[in-house]
Amino acid sequence: DTAVSQTPKYLVTQMGNDKSIKCEQNLGHDTMYWYKQDSKKFLKIMFSYNNKELIINETVPNRFSPKSPDKAHLNLHINSLELGDSAVYFCASSHEGVGRGGSGYEQYFGPGTRLTVT
Amino acid sequence: GQQVMQIPQYQHVQEGEDFTTYCNSSTTLSNIQWYKQRPGGHPVFLIQLVKSGEVKKQKRLTFQFGEAKKNSSLHITATQTTDVGTYFCAKGGANFGNEKLTFGTGTRLTIIP
Repeated sequence: DTAVSQTPKYLVTQMGNDKSIKCEQNLGHDTMYWYKQDSKKFLKIMFSYNNKELIINETVPNRFSPKSPDKAHLNLHINSLELGDSAVYFCASSHEGVGRGGSGYEQYFGPGTRLTVT
Repeated sequence: GQQVMQIPQYQHVQEGEDFTTYCNSSTTLSNIQWYKQRPGGHPVFLIQLVKSGEVKKQKRLTFQFGEAKKNSSLHITATQTTDVGTYFCAKGGANFGNEKLTFGTGTRLTIIP
């Protein structure tokens, strides 16, 4: 029973192509995220969705478009791929909002999709 | 967004030695979380700290939150080969809980057997 799953695990494609990465979570969480991890291991949030609505959109090129058909799924479509898009993309999910005493909720990450653009 | 700095960036230790990574923020944190990422793996939640001066332990791991809530540390006693990986701290967005986590730069730990 995988909590957060992503497909594909590896994606090799040429510059200029369009590709999609899919993410599903079976944890009943309301919030899902996309992160990009570059070759130096920096982990940066790209998007966050809560109950199918976009709530965080960091400075990501318009070529990246997330789509959430329901709160268990968050897909990422990338148009006109560039060399600099090569990275590992992680999907994650969590409960929403603030916990007791100002605490947050832990995030559960998917296994990642390693995208290589040639 | 505001960065969360971690030091050191890399740490190589002999198996059995201790290891510490530090996380520093220029602003007061509402909470801080710690994650571990094994080589080739994904980040896995370890713990969350919320209170000023809080100390939490998980077996050989000790997590501390500074009194001013601007820094945090993770200390591993007597490292083992299973401790290999990159350790990230992550700060929650102010007033937002954790809808936005800003991850630190990470500390990559390697163990010399």
